Amino acid sequence: DVKVTQSSRYLVKRTGEKVFLECVQDMDHENMFWYRQDPGLGLRLIYFSYDVKMKEKGDIPEGYSVSREKKERFSLILESASTNQTSMYLCASNPGTTDTQYFGPGTRLTVL
Amino acid sequence: AQTVTQSQPEMSVQEAETVTLSCTYDTSESNYYLFWYKQPPSRQMILVIRQEAYKQQNATENRFSVNFQKAAKSFSLKISDSQLGDTAMYFCAFMKSDTGNQFYFGTGTSLTVIP
Repeated sequence: DVKVTQSSRYLVKRTGEKVFLECVQDMDHENMFWYRQDPGLGLRLIYFSYDVKMKEKGDIPEGYSVSREKKERFSLILESASTNQTSMYLCASNPGTTDTQYFGPGTRLTVL
Repeated sequence: AQTVTQSQPEMSVQEAETVTLSCTYDTSESNYYLFWYKQPPSRQMILVIRQEAYKQQNATENRFSVNFQKAAKSFSLKISDSQLGDTAMYFCAFMKSDTGNQFYFGTGTSLTVIP
């Protein structure tokens, strides 16, 4: 079975802190994604990566950056956390063009 | 741009009954994939069912089936013999076949199965 793990289930940070969310997949997938999930808004794509060191902006990249130094790991970085970044963050991966996405358990981030 | 609309924010169904969740989408693409995902409370999002647009036959997975109407751009999910474990948020999603790396999600339908 595909396994996508995220470094934390719950995280509480202060405004202005630098925050790292990490995601690891164990199935050699090419594509990896970071979404933000908010009630009534569904899932919104922040960034995705289709190869090591490659990244593309999604629909809401402002305030975020990403890093993919190794194929299995995709990190989401909040350079200076703000209260409006309080949300559930979901990581996903897929192997190629026609397959579904496999999701991690999510990180619920609260910024105080 | 692709958009996915789920017009039912919340639904409920009695255990053992049948329920249908609606989803419409807007695209100019001719070839694409559609998905239904399930997110149980505090648990991981998982795939329920998927449909390739070029296939006319509706996909079925055990108690889950879809009604895919390509001309109407409609993709509804039918859950038969509802079980308590079906209580979850359900998301409809669209994927362009030439990218494989961009999915578009609806806003979700929260389904509660009542004992």
